[in-house]
Amino acid sequence: DQQVKQNSPSLSVQEGRISILNCDYTNSMFDYFLWYKKYPAEGPTFLISISSIKDKNEDGRFTVFLNKSAKHLSLHIVPSQPGDSAVYFCAAILDYTGANSKLTFGKGITLSVRP
Amino acid sequence: DTEVTQTPKHLVMGMTNKKSLKCEQHMGHRAMYWYKQKAKKPPELMFVYSYEKLSINESVPSRFSPECPNSSLLNLHLHALQPEDSALYLCASSQEPGQGDTQYFGPGTRLTVL
Repeated sequence: DQQVKQNSPSLSVQEGRISILNCDYTNSMFDYFLWYKKYPAEGPTFLISISSIKDKNEDGRFTVFLNKSAKHLSLHIVPSQPGDSAVYFCAAILDYTGANSKLTFGKGITLSVRP
Repeated sequence: DTEVTQTPKHLVMGMTNKKSLKCEQHMGHRAMYWYKQKAKKPPELMFVYSYEKLSINESVPSRFSPECPNSSLLNLHLHALQPEDSALYLCASSQEPGQGDTQYFGPGTRLTVL
């Protein structure tokens, strides 16, 4: 049972435009969310995170929005650059401050930014 | 230094072999993790070490045996694996366990079991 869902396997956008990557979750107890980026032959790299008490977090070109009532979060990349082409994983944490907190990943979405 | 290193990068082994995967970090992180990732699937947590002690074992078969010799090193000993164990094995570390801290991932070891 996939608790973190990234329903679109891929997204293609033009360089300079906005990329919007979506993620849905089923467990309302998740209290922290993260986005990871993964290039081929490399491990996932942390990109940006958001606590469940916030609805927006911004870091440079990357903004994550959280809609708790809809159990939905999205990653906006503006402007998109060819170097952003990678697999993006949405991840969620249960019990953020607990000793046994765990990271649950979505399946990932492949972003391609066309020059 | 925000690097987690893993060796080897690639490993091919038979079902009767014994091998080990190694992971190292020098960031002073007190939590280290093993994940398994199959193609087109998300990483799946296998083990968590907190302050060099095993704190989470996600019901992983005993043919996988983790070891944390010190705060910088994490090993995964492999014995009598099955072909379906072929996957990318990722190591990660975070500053403190249980805080949802950013986990820094290594590049992974691509394991093939024949």
